[in-house]
Amino acid sequence: SQQGEEDPQALSIQEGENATMNCSYKTSINNLQWYRQNSGRGLVHLILIRSNEREKHSGRLRVTLDTSKKSSSLLITASRAADTASYFCATDGAGNTGKLIFGQGTTLQVKP
Amino acid sequence: DTEVTQTPKHLVMGMTNKKSLKCEQHMGHRAMYWYKQKAKKPPELMFVYSYEKLSINESVPSRFSPECPNSSLLNLHLHALQPEDSALYLCASSQAQGVPRPQHFGDGTRLSIL
Repeated sequence: SQQGEEDPQALSIQEGENATMNCSYKTSINNLQWYRQNSGRGLVHLILIRSNEREKHSGRLRVTLDTSKKSSSLLITASRAADTASYFCATDGAGNTGKLIFGQGTTLQVKP
Repeated sequence: DTEVTQTPKHLVMGMTNKKSLKCEQHMGHRAMYWYKQKAKKPPELMFVYSYEKLSINESVPSRFSPECPNSSLLNLHLHALQPEDSALYLCASSQAQGVPRPQHFGDGTRLSIL
């Protein structure tokens, strides 16, 4: 079964607004990653946050991690139409197997 | 452009056919992965190769047969597939298995089983 659950399942905003997506997971992790998938394309890695980190930034992206609540959030600031995509969180479990378990994903639509 | 190249982009095959999906990366990565993704669902791991050896098989039916001829190439041989096997098949690579690094994905092969 999939470890990660994301909400909302779908999000529609206007260009320039911020988008927040949340991810919850069930077991201990070494790290959590966020990926983007444009329609008909492969996944693109956005950011990796380790279990001992609480917040990480990359350009317009801000990721937080709360291991006590087993949850993470992805914030995209000043969204653009090009940010329209599906976003997935992925956890690795605690066994260092390299196996990623993906959440169900959030579909983001940014209207121009 | 992605650094992981998958061919073909699309494949239609009958249930009795034999075909192969190919994946290539030249980033020097030593871990390679096959995922299956159904429409509007997340990718699900099928196989992991580490240093050209099969490391993880997620109880995938034997009609899917992976092969890693060298550190840059990964194949997925298909035989006697079922209609429910229609999906997007994604290949990915990473620096090494178990190392906390991103996985790099190809754009996938969209497979349709008639």
